[in-house]
Amino acid sequence: EVQLVESGGGLVQPGGSLRLSCAASGFTFSTYDMNWVRQAPGKGLEWVSDITSSGSSTYYAESVKGRFTISRDNTKSSLYLQMDSLRAEDTAVYYCARTNMAFWGQGTMVTVSS
Amino acid sequence: DVVLTQSPLSLPVTPGQPASISCRSSQSLVHSDGNTYLSWFQQRPGQSPRRLIYKVSNRDSGVPDRFSGSGSGTDFTLKISRVEAEDVGLYYCMQGSHWPPVTFGGGTKVEIK
Repeated sequence: EVQLVESGGGLVQPGGSLRLSCAASGFTFSTYDMNWVRQAPGKGLEWVSDITSSGSSTYYAESVKGRFTISRDNTKSSLYLQMDSLRAEDTAVYYCARTNMAFWGQGTMVTVSS
Repeated sequence: DVVLTQSPLSLPVTPGQPASISCRSSQSLVHSDGNTYLSWFQQRPGQSPRRLIYKVSNRDSGVPDRFSGSGSGTDFTLKISRVEAEDVGLYYCMQGSHWPPVTFGGGTKVEIK
């Protein structure tokens, strides 16, 4: 059974940093591209970032480019999102999702507020 | 960026009756490889999204056959043949034909009358 478990969310002040993690199991992690998708409170879904299976290529939404960094460790079947220079508008539930959004984690809440 | 416009925003349905959600794209979603990467997702209250349909009309494993997807080019539809109480929630379309960025529709709220 495919499982994706996010962690690392919390309350952070504007301008601060946070690192999210996503632990994958139930499939061969190293053969799949992975994504981060977020959902602000009461709002729709917004794609944030994608990383290829090897980690050699990464892609970002314009809203986070230059502030967020996606990475992965295939030896640990783990996906990461380093979030710097956080803003109030980054407040959202952050989901990790497998290629083509076929499977999603339960999400981790990030709140940016002073 | 590709803009996906869903309608209606809200869809009250009587159990046992059909329901239909439209997703219109600002440009054709036919990829250069010939496939059309249009998916549909269900998000029940308090839950993570779940993919129902991929590449326009392919149902994911475990998805009831009352859900079906159709369409081509820029116009796509998700149909529920007979709505059940467990179908209440938000529904989103998503395109992966022209990315980055992947884009989602604004969502349609299905509720029971």
